[in-house]
Amino acid sequence: NAGVTQTPKFRILKIGQSMTLQCAQDMNHNYMYWYRQDPGMGLKLIYYSVGAGITDKGEVPNGYNVSRSTTEDFPLRLELAAPSQTSVYFCASSYPQYYGYTFGSGTRLTVV
Amino acid sequence: KQEVTQIPAALSVPEGENLVLNCSFTDSAIYNLQWFRQDPGKGLTSLLLIQSSQREQTSGRLNASLDKSSGRSTLYIAASQPGDSATYLCASTQGGSEKLVFGKGTKLTVNP
Repeated sequence: NAGVTQTPKFRILKIGQSMTLQCAQDMNHNYMYWYRQDPGMGLKLIYYSVGAGITDKGEVPNGYNVSRSTTEDFPLRLELAAPSQTSVYFCASSYPQYYGYTFGSGTRLTVV
Repeated sequence: KQEVTQIPAALSVPEGENLVLNCSFTDSAIYNLQWFRQDPGKGLTSLLLIQSSQREQTSGRLNASLDKSSGRSTLYIAASQPGDSATYLCASTQGGSEKLVFGKGTKLTVNP
């Protein structure tokens, strides 16, 4: 059972480039999330989804887009990369209410 | 808006000592509270999940308690070992929402 799988693990982007961070889960969880983690700042929620076709903004959504066409996949799109998007990105999934989150291993992104 | 605070930010103890990590939250209408461990450059590993109806959870040398009325949770680590050195993150859901809000973590160092 793989849990939550994120790809790639590392990526260097130039300013203005675009990329998609992939996230897939095999636990049939309804809820999926994207967080970013910056040193000393804790984890901040970017976007989340409560099911296929339903997404909503979190605390720091600017510069990102998401889609959820299947229960399993929740990709995060960066359209015009900026140095402020240098961070570690974590995807997570959960069942609704009273159950905990399962996190992926993260994607370390550097924008230069 | 839920706010989660962890004190202390860093803690250094000798091997074998029992220790307590503290977490406080402002909104008591939570579904659950979860403790994670994060090793340097790695993802988040779930340690313990306490549902809102529970007072504590135990796993091996770890015990987590939850007091919703005071907005506090503690993580107790018995007989600490150098392998326990990591950053410990506390996260709770917020008022009727599935979204997890994270504290900034406590960096624990256990010295041999």
